[in-house]
Amino acid sequence: GDSVTQMEGPVTLSEEAFLTINCTYTATGYPSLFWYVQYPGEGLQLLLKATKADDKGSNKGFEATYRKETTSFHLEKGSVQVSDSAVYFCALSDLETSGGSYIPTFGRGTSLIVHP
Amino acid sequence: KAGVTQTPRYLIKTRGQQVTLSCSPISGHRSVSWYQQTPGQGLQFLFEYFSETQRNKGNFPGRFSGRQFSNSRSEMNVSTLELGDSALYLCASSLAASSYEQYFGPGTRLTVT
Repeated sequence: GDSVTQMEGPVTLSEEAFLTINCTYTATGYPSLFWYVQYPGEGLQLLLKATKADDKGSNKGFEATYRKETTSFHLEKGSVQVSDSAVYFCALSDLETSGGSYIPTFGRGTSLIVHP
Repeated sequence: KAGVTQTPRYLIKTRGQQVTLSCSPISGHRSVSWYQQTPGQGLQFLFEYFSETQRNKGNFPGRFSGRQFSNSRSEMNVSTLELGDSALYLCASSLAASSYEQYFGPGTRLTVT
């Protein structure tokens, strides 16, 4: 079945450092890819998405590019802030194999801690 | 606009009991999805309801069920609780069915003893 693998956390960075959180996936079809963020005490929220190869999703300074050849969707940010401290989830949904329905498969999540 | 609300926020039950969790979606949203989050299995899709009909179901046993009311509020029920059902149960709402534009609630933390 489909699966998503994320790097283990926590990732600890100083403010203004460059961030990369790795995400790779396995899917039988051609999935859409997503990053969600969960801030402390809050529910998940969609951060960005990409629906086809070479698409770049971006939001709030975060970016991720859909790389079909390496089955990856790594999350990056050029300069992190303390307010970016959260848990980040990579997810996929294969609309083709699910009959057009959004049935997400999530990674385990990566905790990011940013120090001042 | 009020966000997704879930009640109760915390719950402790005994093995063998049953439990009902409630979710009120954002006003105007007609789709409600439920997820289970555990340290062992991560975040897993349970089911989705739209216009009072279950549209999709994840790979969970029949002890997990849900329903949606005409005002789009949803409940999920777990019967014959097992220790492994201890988890954070998240609800998410969206305007349309099968949408990735979901807004999540803070969750209900269920502990089974």
